[in-house]
Amino acid sequence: GDQVEQSPSALSLHEGTGSALRCNFTTTMRAVQWFQQNSRGSLINLFYLASGTKENGRLKSTFNSKESYSTLHIRDAQLEDSGTYFCAAEDSNYQLIWGSGTKLIIKP
Amino acid sequence: AQTIHQWPVAEIKAVGSPLSLGCTIKGKSSPNLYWYWQATGGTLQQLFYSITVGQVESVVQLNLSASRPKDDQFILSTEKLLLSHSGFYLCAWSGLGLNQDTQYFGPGTRLLVL
Repeated sequence: GDQVEQSPSALSLHEGTGSALRCNFTTTMRAVQWFQQNSRGSLINLFYLASGTKENGRLKSTFNSKESYSTLHIRDAQLEDSGTYFCAAEDSNYQLIWGSGTKLIIKP
Repeated sequence: AQTIHQWPVAEIKAVGSPLSLGCTIKGKSSPNLYWYWQATGGTLQQLFYSITVGQVESVVQLNLSASRPKDDQFILSTEKLLLSHSGFYLCAWSGLGLNQDTQYFGPGTRLLVL
């Protein structure tokens, strides 16, 4: 089965609200990255985590390697947050395994 | 600051025709370089990586090849395009170890094969 299971596949939020995206891993991962892909297709790196929690503005991400998951929290969502979010996890062989993406739509 | 540039921005090509996509990175010496492919609405698939000039490793076989003729240049090519090659091609770079550091992506090239 897939080593990286990302959920939800799609999410709709009203401006000003928040939610969380999650990636579950079926094997031990060394690190995780989160990316936002905008409508033009550009991929923007949001976080790189080998452990713990990082915060950047309205975004916060946690990576728990022991329990095999990572989350990306978005608060006070803005229209420009729309896009597709991917997690990518680094396995023990230094291969980067990508999640299937979460399509996020922010509504006014 | 590092910049990553990809060319062309978009291509429409015929099945069986050759293809060459380019990627250059400025402001970073000896980067790790990657090629990714993304089907429309799909996730990313790493195709190739390179840790040094002249060395390229294939991650998945898609009847494509890659070369790194210079430290700051990564080329993706094929002599005969297939319909299945359509999609979005992204080049990325990272520092430190292979797949062990933040990856920074170029703007991508959209390819449509007819």
